[in-house]
Amino acid sequence: EDQVTQSPEALRLQEGESSSLNCSYTVSGLRGLFWYRQDPGKGPEFLFTLYSAGEEKEKERLKATLTKKESFLHITAPKPEDSATYLCAVQVGGSNYKLTFGKGTLLTVNP
Amino acid sequence: GAVVSQHPSRVICKSGTSVKIECRSLDFQATTMFWYRQFPKQSLMLMATSNEGSKATYEQGVEKDKFLINHASLTLSTLTVTSAHPEDSSFYICSAPVGGEAFFGQGTRLTVV
Repeated sequence: EDQVTQSPEALRLQEGESSSLNCSYTVSGLRGLFWYRQDPGKGPEFLFTLYSAGEEKEKERLKATLTKKESFLHITAPKPEDSATYLCAVQVGGSNYKLTFGKGTLLTVNP
Repeated sequence: GAVVSQHPSRVICKSGTSVKIECRSLDFQATTMFWYRQFPKQSLMLMATSNEGSKATYEQGVEKDKFLINHASLTLSTLTVTSAHPEDSSFYICSAPVGGEAFFGQGTRLTVV
């Protein structure tokens, strides 16, 4: 059974304090790993897709990396507006884009 | 990115009634759409996959007679929660795949009283 585990469940940072969120996965035949941002009461907002170990992608203060067992979402010098729940999801080969999600990490950035 | 529009954003209904949730792809055609349910502080759980012009595929443990899915056109999929009960109260979200990515609707907060 495909499993996605995110840690920590919650993270509080001070503005400017860089950190990383972890997403470890156990799947057979990873097709892609996705990162989403979700604000309260809203649908997930797409951030990144990573397809192979060693791949990295960046967007503003966020950088996602992928290994064969886990992915990290690095947040550099976060701002209060980065506060949200960050979701990781995996897509396995042949699943027609079906995603299996982790429970997410609730990030709070204090000013 | 592609836009997926979901309505309503919030709905309150009485126990025993039915509620319909719409999911539209605004600037692309979606032959497949996914319906998820999310409980507080929990992961998004896939309920079913809707396919335009054919029957939906339901995940194990999801009652297909209770959660009716219709995908009658390439831009519209609907989820109807029939004979709703308080335990059906949840956040329902649709998504559509586009070019290897999945775009989500805004979600619908269903409260059954």
